[in-house]
Amino acid sequence: EVQLVQSGAEVKKPGESLKISCKGSGYSFTSYWIGWVRQMPGKGLEWMGIIYPGDSDTRYSPSFQGQVTISADKSISTAYLQWSSLKASDTAMYYCARHEVGEGSDYWGQGTLVTVSS
Amino acid sequence: QSALTQPASVSGSPGQSITISCTGTSSDVGGYNYVSWYQQHPGKAPKLMIYEVSNRPSGVPDRFSGSKSGNTASLTISGLQAEDEADYYCSSYTSSSTVEVFGGGTKLTVL
Repeated sequence: EVQLVQSGAEVKKPGESLKISCKGSGYSFTSYWIGWVRQMPGKGLEWMGIIYPGDSDTRYSPSFQGQVTISADKSISTAYLQWSSLKASDTAMYYCARHEVGEGSDYWGQGTLVTVSS
Repeated sequence: QSALTQPASVSGSPGQSITISCTGTSSDVGGYNYVSWYQQHPGKAPKLMIYEVSNRPSGVPDRFSGSKSGNTASLTISGLQAEDEADYYCSSYTSSSTVEVFGGGTKLTVL
């Protein structure tokens, strides 16, 4: 069974750093892209970027380039999304998803809620 | 990189059919047959309903269908059921970034 399991909810202060994770199982982790999607409270979905764990090819949406870092450790089938200095506007639910370019995202993690507040 | 344009809301009665549109440009929807549709119930992760404009993943009812004409893609749900009430998002490959772009989302209400 394909599963993507994300790390738990986080509460952080502005300026702090954060790294959240997404662990894949039940499939060849290095053969599919992993995408990250942001959903701010009461708002729509936004693609942040994608990574191919097989060779770490990473692509960012222009809105998120330079704002976050996407990485993966294929030895433990885990992808990461990290911030070096959080802002209140980073408060959102973040989803990871198994993604095939052009074919959509067929499996999703349960989401990680990030709350940034002083 | 602008989001694709969807109506904010649509509604229909049980048993009826509804269509949700998703309008982009020749750089995304119009240029590629890489449009997907997702269903999201409150508090849940999105679920893939349609990929490559009109293909249904295994397990998705055939009441859900997709199509495209020019720069506009459409999701049609026939025989509406109460459980179809959810938010729906389109997504398209875009040449402007190689990361896909979502539509703003459409809230479907089953009356």
